[in-house]
Amino acid sequence: EAQVTQNPRYLITVTGKKLTVTCSQNMNHEYMSWYRQDPGLGLRQIYYSMNVEVTDKGDVPEGYKVSRKEKRNFPLILESPSPNQTSLYFCASSPGTTGQPQHFGDGTRLSIL
Amino acid sequence: RKEVEQDPGPFNVPEGATVAFNCTYSNSASQSFFWYRQDCRKEPKLLMSVYSSGNEDGRFTAQLNRASQYISLLIRDSKLSDSATYLCVVNYPGRRALTFGSGTRLQVQP
Repeated sequence: EAQVTQNPRYLITVTGKKLTVTCSQNMNHEYMSWYRQDPGLGLRQIYYSMNVEVTDKGDVPEGYKVSRKEKRNFPLILESPSPNQTSLYFCASSPGTTGQPQHFGDGTRLSIL
Repeated sequence: RKEVEQDPGPFNVPEGATVAFNCTYSNSASQSFFWYRQDCRKEPKLLMSVYSSGNEDGRFTAQLNRASQYISLLIRDSKLSDSATYLCVVNYPGRRALTFGSGTRLQVQP
């Protein structure tokens, strides 16, 4: 089954404790992206990747890192999480780079205390 | 001005009603348009792409008006299961990302 898999689905942690949210897709998609969704603000892009070893900042990259060592995986790293990073996070992928609809993972709900 | 604007709603309609949402976008050079559906706390899912000539998928009709820079979604014969948030999505030329509106919430009531 074609899917985008995120882990964990839920996480409560404390300020400053490094965490990684994993994202994996099995569709051989080139383009992958991370979003955060907050009430009233909609989906905002954090980082994206056009292909292996190619990543770039989205609209709200501060406080986040990503890597794309393999085509299928695109982890999101919070080196020193802070409470303002409490949010619902989605990973997405699409076959091409632009203008194509994206497939989303189930989401990860992060609470930073 | 937001790049993609939607009325947040909620739109409360009875079952069987016809409801329409509009979405405006700011860049006239935009090339691709989509409607996504998002259920509460779930991931967005593609509902339909929007083509220049307009397109229909069952009870759903999408229209694009380039002159006025808006897209619309019409839902006929609303079902309880149509209750969700509908996200308008636009691709901007030169941007390697889709831009999402904040969504319009629809609540279909029995």
